[in-house]
Amino acid sequence: DIQMTQSPSSLSASVGDRVTITCRASQSISSFLNWYQQKPGKAPKLLIYAASSFQSGVPSRFSGRGSGTDFTLTISSLQPEDFATYYCQQSYSSPRTFGQGTKVEIK
Amino acid sequence: EVQLVESGGGLVQPGGSLRLSCAASGFSFSDHYMDWVRQAPGKGLEWVGRAHSYTTEYAASVKGRFTISRDDSKNSLYLRMNSLKTEDTAVYYCARSSTGWYYFDYWGQGTLVTVSS
Repeated sequence: DIQMTQSPSSLSASVGDRVTITCRASQSISSFLNWYQQKPGKAPKLLIYAASSFQSGVPSRFSGRGSGTDFTLTISSLQPEDFATYYCQQSYSSPRTFGQGTKVEIK
Repeated sequence: EVQLVESGGGLVQPGGSLRLSCAASGFSFSDHYMDWVRQAPGKGLEWVGRAHSYTTEYAASVKGRFTISRDDSKNSLYLRMNSLKTEDTAVYYCARSSTGWYYFDYWGQGTLVTVSS
């Protein structure tokens, strides 16, 4: 199975900050890496697919980079509605696996 | 508009069974893999399994206990859960897999399954 490791597990940031979350796969997954945002009590929402492609309607302050085993999600200027938990997920092979999540909290 | 609506959750005793349903609309259901993903209280996301017309795949943690099926004529996905354990307590989401890259582009609202005596 492919293990997905996110870092950090949580972070505190202020509105306007630049935030970067890292995701590492235990083996190469090419660009089969997706990012989701989840707010309390809600279903996850797709932000980025295929490592760097935007889902329709996602603000341009979100961006994704990487290939192989190392990936990043960057929020260029954190907004109040961005405080949430973020998950990476590989869709390269089954079992599909998620990172453990990164909770972005208000400083 | 794509919609996924889960139903069938509830309270069940350890060792019991439950069947969840996911009603899909707004897209060509038979063209897509459909997946189940769960989330235990306060925990992260865990993939349960997926199904297409003639194939199913499962996570090791549920293989042999859970069965995913679908009825393409009814645009519906199902999850039959047997031999339930307390650690199966979670919100269960159905999700649509995109064609090609297989990311989860649409999710249902989730249905809570509680396994407790």
